Amino acid sequence: NAGVTQTPKFRVLKTGQSMTLLCAQDMNHEYMYWYRQDPGMGLRLIHYSVGEGTTAKGEVPDGYNVSRLKKQNFLLGLESAAPSQTSVYFCASRGTVPNTGELFFGEGSRLTVL
Amino acid sequence: AQKVTQAQTEISVVEKEDVTLDCVYETRDTTYYLFWYKQPPSGELVFLIRRNSFDEQNEISGRYSWNFQKSTSSFNFTITASQVVDSAVYFCALSEPHSGGGADGLTFGKGTHLIIQP
Repeated sequence: NAGVTQTPKFRVLKTGQSMTLLCAQDMNHEYMYWYRQDPGMGLRLIHYSVGEGTTAKGEVPDGYNVSRLKKQNFLLGLESAAPSQTSVYFCASRGTVPNTGELFFGEGSRLTVL
Repeated sequence: AQKVTQAQTEISVVEKEDVTLDCVYETRDTTYYLFWYKQPPSGELVFLIRRNSFDEQNEISGRYSWNFQKSTSSFNFTITASQVVDSAVYFCALSEPHSGGGADGLTFGKGTHLIIQP
Protein backbone atom coordinates (compact mmCIF):
# COMPACT_ATOMS: atom_id res chain seq x y z
CA ASN A 1 0.00 0.00 0.00
CA ALA A 2 2.50 2.62 -1.20
CA GLY A 3 0.23 5.66 -1.72
CA VAL A 4 2.49 8.61 -2.55
CA THR A 5 6.22 7.98 -2.71
CA GLN A 6 8.88 10.66 -2.97
CA THR A 7 12.51 10.18 -3.94
CA PRO A 8 15.02 11.07 -2.74
CA LYS A 9 14.20 11.63 0.93
CA PHE A 10 17.30 13.75 1.53
CA ARG A 11 19.64 15.65 -0.75
CA VAL A 12 22.40 18.19 -0.35
CA LEU A 13 23.25 20.39 -3.31
CA LYS A 14 25.71 23.12 -4.03
CA THR A 15 24.49 26.43 -5.37
CA GLY A 16 23.97 26.20 -9.11
CA GLN A 17 23.55 22.44 -9.27
CA SER A 18 20.43 20.88 -10.70
CA MET A 19 18.28 18.05 -9.47
CA THR A 20 14.90 16.41 -9.86
CA LEU A 21 12.51 15.22 -7.20
CA LEU A 22 10.27 12.36 -8.21
CA CYS A 23 6.77 11.81 -6.91
CA ALA A 24 4.90 8.63 -7.71
CA GLN A 25 1.35 7.71 -6.74
CA ASP A 26 -0.45 4.43 -7.21
CA MET A 27 -4.01 5.60 -6.56
CA ASN A 28 -4.82 6.65 -10.14
CA HIS A 29 -5.33 10.21 -8.97
CA GLU A 30 -5.77 12.99 -11.49
CA TYR A 31 -4.46 15.86 -9.42
CA MET A 32 -0.93 16.12 -8.13
CA TYR A 33 0.84 18.89 -6.21
CA TRP A 34 4.24 20.01 -5.04
CA TYR A 35 4.44 22.03 -1.83
CA ARG A 36 7.37 23.43 0.05
CA GLN A 37 7.47 23.81 3.80
CA ASP A 38 9.56 26.44 5.51
CA PRO A 39 9.68 27.27 9.23
CA GLY A 40 6.80 29.51 10.24
CA MET A 41 5.37 29.54 6.72
CA GLY A 42 3.23 26.45 6.60
CA LEU A 43 3.03 24.65 3.27
CA ARG A 44 3.02 26.69 0.08
CA LEU A 45 2.03 25.42 -3.32
CA ILE A 46 4.78 25.44 -5.95
CA HIS A 47 3.19 23.77 -8.98
CA TYR A 48 0.33 21.45 -9.61
CA SER A 49 -1.12 19.25 -12.29
CA VAL A 50 -4.73 18.44 -13.07
CA GLY A 51 -3.89 15.55 -15.37
CA GLU A 52 -1.30 13.86 -17.52
CA GLY A 53 0.50 16.31 -19.73
CA THR A 54 -0.74 19.42 -17.89
CA THR A 55 0.95 21.58 -15.28
CA ALA A 56 0.33 24.98 -13.75
CA LYS A 57 1.95 27.43 -11.40
CA GLY A 58 1.05 27.70 -7.77
CA GLU A 59 1.88 30.35 -5.22
CA VAL A 60 5.69 30.13 -5.30
CA PRO A 61 6.75 28.72 -8.71
CA ASP A 62 9.92 30.71 -9.40
CA GLY A 63 13.06 28.62 -9.75
CA TYR A 64 11.18 25.36 -10.30
CA ASN A 65 9.92 23.40 -13.25
CA VAL A 66 7.62 20.39 -13.34
CA SER A 67 6.53 17.69 -15.70
CA ARG A 68 3.69 15.17 -15.74
CA LEU A 69 4.50 12.83 -18.60
CA LYS A 70 2.77 9.91 -16.94
CA LYS A 71 -0.34 10.08 -14.81
CA GLN A 72 1.30 8.42 -11.85
CA ASN A 73 4.44 10.59 -11.79
CA PHE A 74 5.01 14.25 -11.07
CA LEU A 75 8.56 15.56 -11.29
CA LEU A 76 9.87 18.72 -9.66
CA GLY A 77 13.07 20.14 -11.10
CA LEU A 78 15.53 22.71 -9.90
CA GLU A 79 17.69 23.87 -12.79
CA SER A 80 20.08 26.02 -10.78
CA ALA A 81 19.65 25.52 -7.07
CA ALA A 82 19.84 28.48 -4.70
CA PRO A 83 20.16 28.54 -0.90
CA SER A 84 16.63 29.99 -0.75
CA GLN A 85 15.38 26.66 -2.05
CA THR A 86 16.54 24.88 1.06
CA SER A 87 13.29 23.44 2.29
CA VAL A 88 11.23 20.35 2.85
CA TYR A 89 9.23 19.40 -0.22
CA PHE A 90 5.97 17.52 -0.10
CA CYS A 91 4.19 15.90 -2.96
CA ALA A 92 0.47 15.21 -2.76
CA SER A 93 -2.28 13.78 -4.90
CA ARG A 94 -6.03 13.59 -4.86
CA GLY A 95 -8.80 12.00 -6.77
CA THR A 96 -11.80 13.67 -8.36
CA VAL A 97 -14.53 11.15 -7.67
CA PRO A 98 -15.60 11.80 -5.06
CA ASN A 99 -14.13 15.24 -4.76
CA THR A 100 -13.65 15.54 -1.04
CA GLY A 101 -10.71 17.87 -1.25
CA GLU A 102 -8.52 15.51 0.72
CA LEU A 103 -4.89 15.34 -0.32
CA PHE A 104 -2.68 12.32 0.21
CA PHE A 105 0.86 13.31 1.04
CA GLY A 106 4.23 11.74 0.55
CA GLU A 107 6.70 11.62 3.42
CA GLY A 108 8.61 14.67 2.30
CA SER A 109 12.04 15.34 0.80
CA ARG A 110 14.53 17.46 2.69
CA LEU A 111 16.70 19.52 0.38
CA THR A 112 19.68 21.57 1.53
CA VAL A 113 21.41 23.96 -0.84
CA LEU A 114 24.83 25.13 0.29
CA ALA B 1 -5.37 37.88 2.06
CA GLN B 2 -4.58 34.97 4.27
CA LYS B 3 -7.27 32.34 3.93
CA VAL B 4 -6.35 30.25 6.92
CA THR B 5 -5.11 31.87 10.09
CA GLN B 6 -3.58 30.02 12.98
CA ALA B 7 -2.81 32.84 15.34
CA GLN B 8 -1.00 30.67 17.87
CA THR B 9 2.55 30.12 16.69
CA GLU B 10 3.54 28.01 19.67
CA ILE B 11 1.72 26.63 22.69
CA SER B 12 3.34 24.95 25.65
CA VAL B 13 1.35 23.11 28.28
CA VAL B 14 2.02 20.55 30.94
CA GLU B 15 0.93 16.99 30.34
CA LYS B 16 -2.70 16.23 31.15
CA GLU B 17 -3.83 19.78 30.55
CA ASP B 18 -6.46 20.47 27.92
CA VAL B 19 -5.37 22.61 25.00
CA THR B 20 -7.23 24.27 22.13
CA LEU B 21 -5.68 25.17 18.82
CA ASP B 22 -7.45 27.93 16.96
CA CYS B 23 -8.14 28.10 13.25
CA VAL B 24 -9.96 30.89 11.43
CA TYR B 25 -10.63 30.63 7.71
CA GLU B 26 -11.85 32.84 4.94
CA THR B 27 -13.77 31.77 1.87
CA ARG B 28 -16.51 32.99 -0.44
CA ASP B 29 -17.55 29.49 -1.40
CA THR B 30 -20.55 27.80 0.10
CA THR B 31 -19.00 24.39 -0.43
CA TYR B 32 -15.63 23.85 1.11
CA TYR B 33 -13.71 21.46 3.30
CA LEU B 34 -11.62 22.02 6.38
CA PHE B 35 -8.82 19.80 7.55
CA TRP B 36 -6.44 19.32 10.41
CA TYR B 37 -3.07 17.67 9.91
CA LYS B 38 -0.49 16.70 12.49
CA GLN B 39 3.23 16.84 11.78
CA PRO B 40 5.23 15.00 14.44
CA PRO B 41 8.98 15.51 14.82
CA SER B 42 9.54 12.73 12.28
CA GLY B 43 8.20 15.12 9.64
CA GLU B 44 5.37 13.32 7.88
CA LEU B 45 1.92 14.84 7.60
CA VAL B 46 -0.75 12.87 9.37
CA PHE B 47 -4.36 13.43 8.41
CA LEU B 48 -6.61 13.98 11.44
CA ILE B 49 -9.98 15.13 10.22
CA ARG B 50 -11.97 16.47 7.28
CA ARG B 51 -15.13 18.48 7.74
CA ASN B 52 -17.37 19.72 4.95
CA SER B 53 -19.10 23.06 5.07
CA PHE B 54 -22.55 21.58 5.38
CA ASP B 55 -21.79 19.62 8.50
CA GLU B 56 -21.45 21.78 11.58
CA GLN B 57 -21.67 18.93 14.01
CA ASN B 58 -18.80 18.83 16.40
CA GLU B 59 -16.73 15.71 16.28
CA ILE B 60 -14.97 13.77 18.98
CA SER B 61 -12.38 11.09 18.45
CA GLY B 62 -10.89 9.84 21.67
CA ARG B 63 -9.06 12.75 23.29
CA TYR B 64 -9.46 14.89 20.17
CA SER B 65 -12.44 17.09 19.43
CA TRP B 66 -13.21 19.66 16.81
CA ASN B 67 -15.54 22.63 16.98
CA PHE B 68 -16.74 23.96 13.64
CA GLN B 69 -18.62 27.26 13.71
CA LYS B 70 -19.55 28.83 10.40
CA SER B 71 -20.83 31.96 12.12
CA THR B 72 -17.30 32.80 13.23
CA SER B 73 -15.49 30.97 10.39
CA SER B 74 -13.61 28.91 12.90
CA PHE B 75 -12.58 25.28 13.12
CA ASN B 76 -10.88 24.81 16.45
CA PHE B 77 -9.16 21.69 17.67
CA THR B 78 -9.07 20.61 21.30
CA ILE B 79 -6.90 17.95 22.86
CA THR B 80 -8.15 16.74 26.20
CA ALA B 81 -5.73 15.39 28.80
CA SER B 82 -2.74 16.09 26.59
CA GLN B 83 0.15 13.66 26.38
CA VAL B 84 3.79 14.09 25.44
CA VAL B 85 3.12 12.17 22.20
CA ASP B 86 0.79 14.98 21.16
CA SER B 87 3.80 17.26 20.76
CA ALA B 88 3.85 18.23 17.10
CA VAL B 89 3.08 20.98 14.64
CA TYR B 90 -0.59 21.09 13.77
CA PHE B 91 -1.87 22.54 10.53
CA CYS B 92 -5.34 23.69 9.67
CA ALA B 93 -6.16 23.72 5.96
CA LEU B 94 -8.94 24.79 3.63
CA SER B 95 -10.06 23.26 0.35
CA GLU B 96 -12.38 25.05 -2.04
CA PRO B 97 -12.97 22.36 -4.66
CA HIS B 98 -15.69 24.22 -6.48
CA SER B 99 -13.95 27.57 -6.75
CA GLY B 100 -13.59 27.08 -10.49
CA GLY B 101 -10.23 26.64 -12.19
CA GLY B 102 -6.97 26.67 -10.36
CA ALA B 103 -5.37 24.09 -8.19
CA ASP B 104 -8.28 23.09 -5.97
CA GLY B 105 -5.59 22.12 -3.53
CA LEU B 106 -5.24 22.84 0.12
CA THR B 107 -4.46 26.24 1.55
CA PHE B 108 -2.61 25.80 4.81
CA GLY B 109 -2.30 27.91 7.88
CA LYS B 110 1.20 28.52 9.14
CA GLY B 111 0.85 25.91 11.83
CA THR B 112 0.85 25.80 15.60
CA HIS B 113 3.76 24.17 17.37
CA LEU B 114 2.35 22.32 20.35
CA ILE B 115 4.75 21.37 23.12
CA ILE B 116 3.55 19.03 25.84
CA GLN B 117 5.88 19.07 28.79
CA PRO B 118 6.04 16.00 31.05
